[in-house]
Amino acid sequence: RKEVEQDPGPFNVPEGATVAFNCTYSNSASQSFFWYRQDCRKEPKLLMSVYSSGNEDGRFTAQLNRASQYISLLIRDSKLSDSATYLCVGRTNAGKSTFGDGTTLTVKP
Amino acid sequence: DGGITQSPKYLFRKEGQNVTLSCEQNLNHDAMYWYRQDPGQGLRLIYYSQIVNDFQKGDIAEGYSVSREKKESFPLTVTSAQKNPTAFYLCASTALLAGGPGEQFFGPGTRLTVL
Repeated sequence: RKEVEQDPGPFNVPEGATVAFNCTYSNSASQSFFWYRQDCRKEPKLLMSVYSSGNEDGRFTAQLNRASQYISLLIRDSKLSDSATYLCVGRTNAGKSTFGDGTTLTVKP
Repeated sequence: DGGITQSPKYLFRKEGQNVTLSCEQNLNHDAMYWYRQDPGQGLRLIYYSQIVNDFQKGDIAEGYSVSREKKESFPLTVTSAQKNPTAFYLCASTALLAGGPGEQFFGPGTRLTVL
């Protein structure tokens, strides 16, 4: 079993749709969690950190449930520019990050 | 401009040759990392270093070697012992803050193809 597991998708949604991605982790040493966005053939870029209290950044909402070892990302009012691969990441306090394989999102007109 | 540079962007090598990938950062970050990404997969950690002259193996270190002689530089050598070296290689760095590691920044990556 992988340390960080994501539904690979692909998710194909129309513009304006709401889409949710889920991620589970198994390494209890992971203390910090993040969602990264990766465009085709590019490096990953930080989308947002994930906190137990939940956090929102515009159309994006992330949530962490430590008891269930579960992380989520919600995207509201999807835009064409949201099309990308979204990577779930768990990180230890020593800075060692473990990435999920990514969930691919395609937003269509 | 502060950031991480990797060179070259594309690299072709013959099977059996060692090759060294460059990674330089001017962010004054303490920690640096090398990842490998294969198509349709996430990033897998090869090596990381939290301080000059010290580094640790990641999850897939076999067939790779690194050095950290300067804070700014963390070159990765892909040796002939690496069975399947064709991949996208990403370098990253992080500041090690009192409250824990900061944001991890990535370089643009090097695509290595072994013929």
